[in-house]
Amino acid sequence: DVKVTQSSRYLVKRTGEKVFLECVQDMDHENMFWYRQDPGLGLRLIYFSYDVKMKEKGDIPEGYSVSREKKERFSLILESASTNQTSMYLCASSPGPGGYIQYFGAGTRLSVL
Amino acid sequence: AQRVTQPEKLLSVFKGAPVELKCNYSYSGSPELFWYVQYSRQRLQLLLRHISRESIKGFTADLNKGETSFHLKKPFAQEEDSAMYYCALSGVADKLIFGTGTRLQVFP
Repeated sequence: DVKVTQSSRYLVKRTGEKVFLECVQDMDHENMFWYRQDPGLGLRLIYFSYDVKMKEKGDIPEGYSVSREKKERFSLILESASTNQTSMYLCASSPGPGGYIQYFGAGTRLSVL
Repeated sequence: AQRVTQPEKLLSVFKGAPVELKCNYSYSGSPELFWYVQYSRQRLQLLLRHISRESIKGFTADLNKGETSFHLKKPFAQEEDSAMYYCALSGVADKLIFGTGTRLQVFP
């Protein structure tokens, strides 16, 4: 079974803090993704990565950055957290290329106060 | 533009009733379509994909290219089907384009 693990289930941070969300997958997948999930808006892609040290912007990258130093790990960084970044964050991975089935982590619910 | 539309935010039915969750898409080419499901307190997971042409947990979905639809159907809903359902479309470069989701509530 593919395992995608997000380091925190719940996080509470203050406005202006730098926030790191970590994601690890154990199936040697090429592709990794970060989404935010909001009611009524579905899943919106923040960033994705096809390979180590490679990253591409998704649909809503503003206010976020990512890091992929190792194939199995993909980190999402909020440089200066704001209240409008309060959300559920989902990490996913998929084999590539042409591997469209994505496997998701349990999610991190981030609250920015 | 590539887009997935799920017109219903909430669908409520009684146990044993038929269910149809609607999904329409816009895409030039031959897309691959998926349904993902998220049960309460569980992670988002693949339910089915159109190329498999399988029935999973009693659900089926047929790709209708003429109507650009990929509706999810089940003849007799069960309480355990209550969940959030997302339709998704394969985009460029291994990405998935998700709809906004439909919450299915099945009452006893």
